[in-house]
Amino acid sequence: QQQVKQSPQSLIVQKGGISIINCAYENTAFDYFPWYQQFPGKGPALLIAIRPDVSEKKEGRFTISFNKSAKQFSLHIMDSQPGDSATYFCAARSTDKLIFGTGTRLQVFP
Amino acid sequence: NAGVTQTPKFRVLKTGQSMTLLCAQDMNHEYMYWYRQDPGMGLRLIHYSVGEGTTAKGEVPDGYNVSRLKKQNFLLGLESAAPSQTSVYFCASSYSGPRGVYNEQFFGPGTRLTVL
Repeated sequence: QQQVKQSPQSLIVQKGGISIINCAYENTAFDYFPWYQQFPGKGPALLIAIRPDVSEKKEGRFTISFNKSAKQFSLHIMDSQPGDSATYFCAARSTDKLIFGTGTRLQVFP
Repeated sequence: NAGVTQTPKFRVLKTGQSMTLLCAQDMNHEYMYWYRQDPGMGLRLIHYSVGEGTTAKGEVPDGYNVSRLKKQNFLLGLESAAPSQTSVYFCASSYSGPRGVYNEQFFGPGTRLTVL
């Protein structure tokens, strides 16, 4: 199954709070799980990526948690800022192609 | 470096018209991709190319054709546009790289296409 299911569709968080976006997949052949960030009117840009043999990867305020047995991974944004307001896409790589989730629109209010 | 550029930025077509979207990258990337982005559906792969002269189908290839005559360019064609092809189209490129690393896809700014 070549799908990646992403939730929630939208998320509203207060400044300083934690934003959590979840994704689930079925295909165990996926070998990389990146997250992309997209601002309005722009193309997506890579935020952070993780391999399935790693349970957690942290870059600044952004952390990916990966649960291989559950086939789930999530993005945590600590100390969320208004500048983090964007659409976030999880993805999974299969033989040089990315399968994207449906996206989460994050709004961080001051 | 300009990165990934797309031409045009906006276009309005009538049903049945044809057009070509141009993607250019100056990073010497082997791989290039065309996606469409629709509300609530994320990014869906239309066609992709793993090198000059090669193309392959993605998830939603029907109604589109592509060509990669030069390494730096990837063209997406609509032979007979339909309202269902109203979307934002993104081009992306990446290195091929070794299997054990993630090679980031760099995206262009997008083309907003409306088919009436």
